[in-house]
Amino acid sequence: EPEVTQTPSHQVTQMGQEVILRCVPISNHLYFYWYRQILGQKVEFLVSFYNNEISEKSEIFDDQFSVERPDGSNFTLKIRSTKLEDSAMYFCASSERQGLLEQYFGPGTRLTVT
Amino acid sequence: QKEVEQDPGPLSVPEGAIVSLNCTYSNSAFQYFMWYRQYSRKGPELLMYTYSSGNKEDGRFTAQVDKSSKYISLFIRDSQPSDSATYLCAMSAGSNTGKLIFGQGTTLQVKP
Repeated sequence: EPEVTQTPSHQVTQMGQEVILRCVPISNHLYFYWYRQILGQKVEFLVSFYNNEISEKSEIFDDQFSVERPDGSNFTLKIRSTKLEDSAMYFCASSERQGLLEQYFGPGTRLTVT
Repeated sequence: QKEVEQDPGPLSVPEGAIVSLNCTYSNSAFQYFMWYRQYSRKGPELLMYTYSSGNKEDGRFTAQVDKSSKYISLFIRDSQPSDSATYLCAMSAGSNTGKLIFGQGTTLQVKP
C-alpha cells in the first residue's frame, strides 16, 4: 500500500540554525500539506501546496518557513533561524485532489530545538 | 469558543465494549468531517470521512454527523485492545481548501 514517507524521523538542531524536513508524498497525489503538533497539543495546519504554489497558509507559516517541491517526488519544509518553540512533530500529508477527504499523513519528523 | 472541541479523556473501556467518541464545533461552514487514529509518536491514520450530515459505517466503525447540533461522533463496536490509540476528529470547510482543523484528540484504552 502506498504511503507518505518522511525523513529524518528525528532532527536535533541548535537555536538559530536552519533545518530542512523532507517528505515523499504518495506518487499520484497532487496536493501536499504540512502540519505540526506540539507535544500535548492539537495537530495544526501550516500550509497546503499545489502546482508548485502555496494554496493556503496559516498564520503560523510566516517568513521563517518555506516549502518547495525540488523534484518530482520530494516535498520539503525549510525552517530558518529555528526557535525553541519550533520543537514539535511535523507531519507531511498528501491527497489525490484538493479538499479534503483522504489526506494521508506521513509518520512525522520530530524536531527538537536546543 | 474553540473552533473544534474534543474531550481529551482518557477513556478506558473493557474489551468488547461499544465506544463513543465525540466532537463539537462552532464553524457552520464545515462540511467534511474525518476521524483519524493516532498511535503514540506516529502520524494520524485516516479512519473515516463523511460529508454533511448522516451516518457512515465501515466494519466496526460508524461515523455520525449532526450538522444542526454541530456534533459528530465515532462509534466503535466490539472494541479491541488494538483500538487503544488517540482518536482525532478533523473538519474542513469545503473542497476549495485542504486545510483540516483538528480536535484535541481523545485517548482510548481498551483493556483485555
